[in-house]
Amino acid sequence: GDQVEQSPSALSLHEGTDSALRCNFTTTMRSVQWFRQNSRGSLISLFYLASGTKENGRLKSAFDSKERRYSTLHIRDAQLEDSGTYFCAATNTGANTGKLTFGHGTILRVHP
Amino acid sequence: GPKVLQIPSHQIIDMGQMVTLNCDPVSNHLYFYWYKQILGQQMEFLVNFYNGKVMEKSKLFKDQFSVERPDGSYFTLKIQPTALEDSAVYFCASSPGRRSAETLYFGSGTRLTVL
Repeated sequence: GDQVEQSPSALSLHEGTDSALRCNFTTTMRSVQWFRQNSRGSLISLFYLASGTKENGRLKSAFDSKERRYSTLHIRDAQLEDSGTYFCAATNTGANTGKLTFGHGTILRVHP
Repeated sequence: GPKVLQIPSHQIIDMGQMVTLNCDPVSNHLYFYWYKQILGQQMEFLVNFYNGKVMEKSKLFKDQFSVERPDGSYFTLKIQPTALEDSAVYFCASSPGRRSAETLYFGSGTRLTVL
């Protein structure tokens, strides 16, 4: 079955508001990576986390360091250019094989 | 930041023909990957490649698929022969390979349409 459950599947935000996306993992994961896919299909890496939190501008991501069973992506002061599809992807392998398991994505639309 | 280039962005091919998807990975990276995304669905791992060899492949990596990176040039995914269900966007990725866990850098994908 699916190892990565991403929620919500779609999200509509007013400009300037805050929100959070979440990924739950059905098994313990070693690391998680968050991506944004734009309308042209390009996949942009936002964060890579093996533990703890990382912040970049209005985005902040956290990876549960104890159970390693979920990760969140917080968007602060949402802007129109934040629109796109957000994917989390995780790996549960000990060695780096790059075998990421992706969630189904969250389609985010930010409107004025 | 580091860029992975995929050429072309879109390929249309008749079922049964051969197709080669090209990827120019980040220059000092050592690990290379292909992922497949069917329209509207999640991205799925196909294969990874290191030191001239396939390290791991998924069930999606059918016998008709092959990968190579001859002489450090393009990292390619070849499908021969193609089938209708091969229509998808194929993403190439690379990573430095110096640490046990690290960021993957993805290209912008090649949309393959099999008619």
